[in-house]
Amino acid sequence: GENVEQHPSTLSVQEGDSAVIKCTYSDSASNYFPWYKQELGKGPQLIIDIRSNVGEKKDQRIAVTLNKTAKHFSLHITETQPEDSAVYFCAAGADGLTFGKGTHLIIQP
Amino acid sequence: GAGVSQSPRYKVTKRGQDVALRCDPISGHVSLYWYRQALGQGPEFLTYFNYEAQQDKSGLPNDRFSAERPEGSISTLTIQRTEQRDSAMYRCASSLGTSGGTSWETQYFGPGTRLLVL
Repeated sequence: GENVEQHPSTLSVQEGDSAVIKCTYSDSASNYFPWYKQELGKGPQLIIDIRSNVGEKKDQRIAVTLNKTAKHFSLHITETQPEDSAVYFCAAGADGLTFGKGTHLIIQP
Repeated sequence: GAGVSQSPRYKVTKRGQDVALRCDPISGHVSLYWYRQALGQGPEFLTYFNYEAQQDKSGLPNDRFSAERPEGSISTLTIQRTEQRDSAMYRCASSLGTSGGTSWETQYFGPGTRLLVL
């Protein structure tokens, strides 16, 4: 089955700086790579996703890149704000998703 | 519109009892998924449905776990003879399913049911 590794487990950045979270996956059949943001006491919420037929996607301050050859994908958040503080999960799959263990992003004021 | 809803939000039960967790997907969503999330971990896939048909149950930990979606809408995840290790957050998600399958479909998560087995 699929195995997703996510790094780092904790990331602390100054407000206004950029944050990058990286994930690798193992199953070449995976074709869908979403990123979820989870705030304390809430369910995961989709923030951006990418399909296997594109290499990069951007939505305002958030971007995701995908390298299918190397089987890795990354989340980039620019101009970070305090409300970006949360746990971020990457996932990969075709039907049921396999999630990474999460990255606790802390935005320092 | 209304999102995915789950009930109960919290369930405390004694070891050995059966529990039934309910998921009400977004109206019109064909695909429904069940995940389990331990504290500090990402969601772990359990099973999913397209309409009433269970497509993949490879993630169910053992035969004490079962799920059904008899009319293609509401789904129930049942855990028989609960054990302490079953304690976790159980999350349901749904997606449109318009592609005829679940590939590339955005999944929307519900608030979860926190299960505690004493």
